[in-house]
Amino acid sequence: DQQVKQNSPSLSVQEGRISILNCDYTNSMFDYFLWYKKYPAEGPTFLISISSIKDKNEDGRFTVFLNKSAKHLSLHIVPSQPGDSAVYFCAVLNQGGKLIFGQGTELSVKP
Amino acid sequence: GAGVSQSPRYKVAKRGQDVALRCDPISGHVSLFWYQQALGQGPEFLTYFQNEAQLDKSGLPSDRFFAERPEGSVSTLKIQRTQQEDSAVYLCASSLGTTGYGAFFGQGTRLTVV
Repeated sequence: DQQVKQNSPSLSVQEGRISILNCDYTNSMFDYFLWYKKYPAEGPTFLISISSIKDKNEDGRFTVFLNKSAKHLSLHIVPSQPGDSAVYFCAVLNQGGKLIFGQGTELSVKP
Repeated sequence: GAGVSQSPRYKVAKRGQDVALRCDPISGHVSLFWYQQALGQGPEFLTYFQNEAQLDKSGLPSDRFFAERPEGSVSTLKIQRTQQEDSAVYLCASSLGTTGYGAFFGQGTRLTVV
């Protein structure tokens, strides 16, 4: 049973435009939501997070939005840069303290 | 080094062979996690240690998988009698606190069972 879903396996965006990556989850009890970024042959690296008491968190070009009623979160990257090309994983922190990941979305930013 | 270190980076094993994968977490990190990542999928939780105590091993796929962290630092994931379905990238992560929030990941060990 997939608790965290990223329904788009890939996304292609022009440099300078906005990238929007989406994630859905099933359990309304999750408290923290995170985005990780992964380059080939490297481990995932933490990018940005949001707690369930907020609906938006911004860090430079990256903004995460949380819609608790829809059990949906999204990551916005503005403006997108070629160096942003990577696989992005959405993750939730469950009550047991472990991270549960989605399947990932591969972002390609074209110059 | 300052990050999570995993070795070997690549391992090819013949079916039926035993393998041991090592993880050196960031010094002082309390929590250590093992994940399995199949091709095109997200990391799947295997097991979790808080210091030397294995608090959750619910993700281990079978009794062929065994993990330990005897001194609360370095951890080893052992897979006995490897099968082709064990082929994956095995990721280790550590965090300073008692949860996986903001955990730092190693580069992973790519295991190929032939």
